[in-house]
Amino acid sequence: KQEVTQIPAALSVPEGENLVLNCSFTDSAIYNLQWFRQDPGKGLTSLLLIQSSQREQTSGRLNASLDKSSGRSTLYIAASQPGDSATYLCAVYTGKLIFGQGTTLQVKP
Amino acid sequence: DGGITQSPKYLFRKEGQNVTLSCEQNLNHDAMYWYRQDPGQGLRLIYYSQIVNDFQKGDIAEGYSVSREKKESFPLTVTSAQKNPTAFYLCASSTPNGDTDTQYFGPGTRLTVL
Repeated sequence: KQEVTQIPAALSVPEGENLVLNCSFTDSAIYNLQWFRQDPGKGLTSLLLIQSSQREQTSGRLNASLDKSSGRSTLYIAASQPGDSATYLCAVYTGKLIFGQGTTLQVKP
Repeated sequence: DGGITQSPKYLFRKEGQNVTLSCEQNLNHDAMYWYRQDPGQGLRLIYYSQIVNDFQKGDIAEGYSVSREKKESFPLTVTSAQKNPTAFYLCASSTPNGDTDTQYFGPGTRLTVL
């Protein structure tokens, strides 16, 4: 059974720091992996999607990597800003989306 | 504007009552999904529908029911058989394309049992 884990559950950093969020999954048989952002009490917004054949994707200050063989993905956020404060969820697609528990990020001014 | 709408934003239910959560999309997507989110947890799939008049159980379907009479609409009923219904409910839609399924999410409905 596929399981997705995100560590840490919460993270607090000062503004301007570069940071890495981690996601691991137990079964490498995935089609792709997505990173989502969720603001408090809101729905999810897709940030990046990495196909299983890809190693990374970039969008602005965000860079996501995928190592399918080791079952790991990271989301790198450069020069963090208070507006980046949110919960970040990763999900693997196996024919359905399977989500991790999320990492709640707080960026302090 | 194209998108997914959910209503109501907040819903309160007394024990023993059935309640229905609305989900509408105007993205012309074939597939629609219902997820449940509990505090500090990821999303869990309740039901999904790939075409009109057809739907399948997800991982936690017990105590829930759905219908898909129109492509645009996928209402979720939380029945009295659901023992712990207090949660945040998210609806999503997509048009799966091979090994990619980019789902678009609604703003959610927070259900509280009084």
